[in-house]
Amino acid sequence: EVQLVESGGGLVQPGGSLRLSCAASGFTVSSNYMSWVRQAPGKGLEWVSVIYSGGSTDYADSVKGRFTISRDNSKNTLYLQMNSLRTDDTAVYYCAREKVSDYWLDPWGQGTLVTVSS
Amino acid sequence: EIVLTQSPGTLSLSPGERATLSCRAGQSVTSNSLAWYQQKPGQAPRLLIYGASSRATGVPDRFSGSGSGTDFTLTISSLEPEDFALYYCQHYGSSPRYTFGQGTKLEIK
Repeated sequence: EVQLVESGGGLVQPGGSLRLSCAASGFTVSSNYMSWVRQAPGKGLEWVSVIYSGGSTDYADSVKGRFTISRDNSKNTLYLQMNSLRTDDTAVYYCAREKVSDYWLDPWGQGTLVTVSS
Repeated sequence: EIVLTQSPGTLSLSPGERATLSCRAGQSVTSNSLAWYQQKPGQAPRLLIYGASSRATGVPDRFSGSGSGTDFTLTISSLEPEDFALYYCQHYGSSPRYTFGQGTKLEIK
């Protein structure tokens, strides 16, 4: 079964850091494109970042320079390192798979909540 | 960046009725870049439709997608109780990689 499980969310102060993890099973992370998408409380979906199968990365302007996406092929796990966190980064963060030949995200993990507050 | 506008914001219908949800793109997009997701409270989004009109694995055939250019539609032919949820359309582009509509809430009348 193809599955994604996020972890690492929590409460952090403005200016702080947090690292999210997304453990994959049923497929190989490094053979796919993997994205992070977030959803602020009561709001819509916002794409955050992608790591391509070749290892290159891309980011939304809102997080560029503050967030870093990476993966550990030996653990089949995706990460999102979030630095210089702001209150408007508060959201549920989802990881999702994009097959190399596709233009959509499937499946998604269950999400992990990040709250940035003093 | 392609802006997606969904309408209506909220749709109130009864089980058994037909639902028609609209997604309008700010400029013409290719059909293969348009997808629809369903999200229930406390859950992650679930892929329903990709390539504007293809159903994802396991999606009931009461769900259908159509459209081209700037206007796309998600239709639910006969609403089941489990269909009342939030629905998002999505465009795949270059930068940002994905943009989403603001969502349509389908609620029980």
